[in-house]
Amino acid sequence: AQTVTQSQPEMSVQEAETVTLSCTYDTSESDYYLFWYKQPPSRQMILVIRQEAYKQQNATENRFSVNFQKAAKSFSLKISDSQLGDAAMYFCAYRVQGAQKLVFGQGTRLTINP
Amino acid sequence: DSGVTQTPKHLITATGQRVTLRCSPRSGDLSVYWYQQSLDQGLQFLIQYYNGEERAKGNILERFSAQQFPDLHSELNLSSLELGDSALYFCASSVGSSGGSPLHFGNGTRLTVT
Repeated sequence: AQTVTQSQPEMSVQEAETVTLSCTYDTSESDYYLFWYKQPPSRQMILVIRQEAYKQQNATENRFSVNFQKAAKSFSLKISDSQLGDAAMYFCAYRVQGAQKLVFGQGTRLTINP
Repeated sequence: DSGVTQTPKHLITATGQRVTLRCSPRSGDLSVYWYQQSLDQGLQFLIQYYNGEERAKGNILERFSAQQFPDLHSELNLSSLELGDSALYFCASSVGSSGGSPLHFGNGTRLTVT
């Protein structure tokens, strides 16, 4: 079964600091996609970043970047210069090429301390 | 704003009742997905439609049903409601039906069964 594990239920960081959220996944597939979604208190699920498994280069979106380690099946999210607006639940998700289902981890609640 | 519209935002109903949740996808998106988010189970995939046809089924109960109409909007019908059905129900849409097409989520419908 395809599973996504986020081992940190909660994390906190000081404003302007850097924080890394962990995600591991279990798969026997070689072609797949990985995503990080953010869910602020407004409840909306917002796409943060996307990574194709066939690309060795780590994806980057402004202050958000990933560390994709395919052999280790690890996909961590780094948030630089943390801002109060980054406070949210962060979900890691995985989807096999050709599959319909997007599988989510259990989430990490990130708190930003001013 | 993701462009995905869900109505209603909140729904309070009694056990045994039936409700309908509605979703309008982003303009141009052909796929619609339904997810259930409970406090103890994270985001669970229920069902997916692509251009009016069912494409994938997840952990959807027999009491639940969905459809996608010719104008691509979708409805999720929940019947014989139980207390455990209380959750946040998300609709998402994407251009493609699988793989790397990112899902764009609506703001969800908060269902409370009393």
